[in-house]
Amino acid sequence: DQQVKQNSPSLSVQEGRISILNCDYTNSMFDYFLWYKKYPAEGPTFLISISSIKDKNEDGRFTVFLNKSAKHLSLHIVPSQPGDSAVYFCAACTYGGATNKLIFGTGTLLAVQP
Amino acid sequence: NAGVTQTPKFQVLKTGQSMTLQCAQDMNHEYMSWYRQDPGMGLRLIHYSVGAGITDQGEVPNGYNVSRSTTEDFPLRLLSAAPSQTSVYFCASSYPRGTTNTGELFFGEGSRLTVL
Repeated sequence: DQQVKQNSPSLSVQEGRISILNCDYTNSMFDYFLWYKKYPAEGPTFLISISSIKDKNEDGRFTVFLNKSAKHLSLHIVPSQPGDSAVYFCAACTYGGATNKLIFGTGTLLAVQP
Repeated sequence: NAGVTQTPKFQVLKTGQSMTLQCAQDMNHEYMSWYRQDPGMGLRLIHYSVGAGITDQGEVPNGYNVSRSTTEDFPLRLLSAAPSQTSVYFCASSYPRGTTNTGELFFGEGSRLTVL
């Protein structure tokens, strides 16, 4: 049973435009959500996180939106740059849960075309 | 600052062989974890530890053992390798989530294991 789902395996966007990556979850006990970026042959690196007490968090070009009623979160990248081309994973953990017990989605491959 | 170091980076085993994937972190993180990444499956948690001497199972623990004798090291042992354990393995570490940090995991570069 996939508790965190990323239904789009891939996404292609033009440089300078907005990239929107989506993530759905089924476990209502999740209270903390994170996005990671992964380049080939490297480990994932942390991008941005959001707690369930918020519905939006921004960090530079990256914004994460959380819709708890829909059990849905999204990552917006504006403007998109070729260096953003990577696999993006969303991840979640439960209230009080250690963040080393993250449940990951299957990832979305973002390609930003110059 | 080395961060999270995994060795070896590549390994080929025959079915039934055993081996240990090493993981060391120099950030004094309490939390450490092992994940495996398979095509179409994302990253799945194998085992994790919240401190020296404390370990627990994740989503896919069968066929793997771990121990945490020091804060720095968290080796993953494959007891009797099977082709289904062909994967890329990632070790990660973090502080507990708190008011001044996000508790995010810091990952190593990965160990690619092939079991024939």
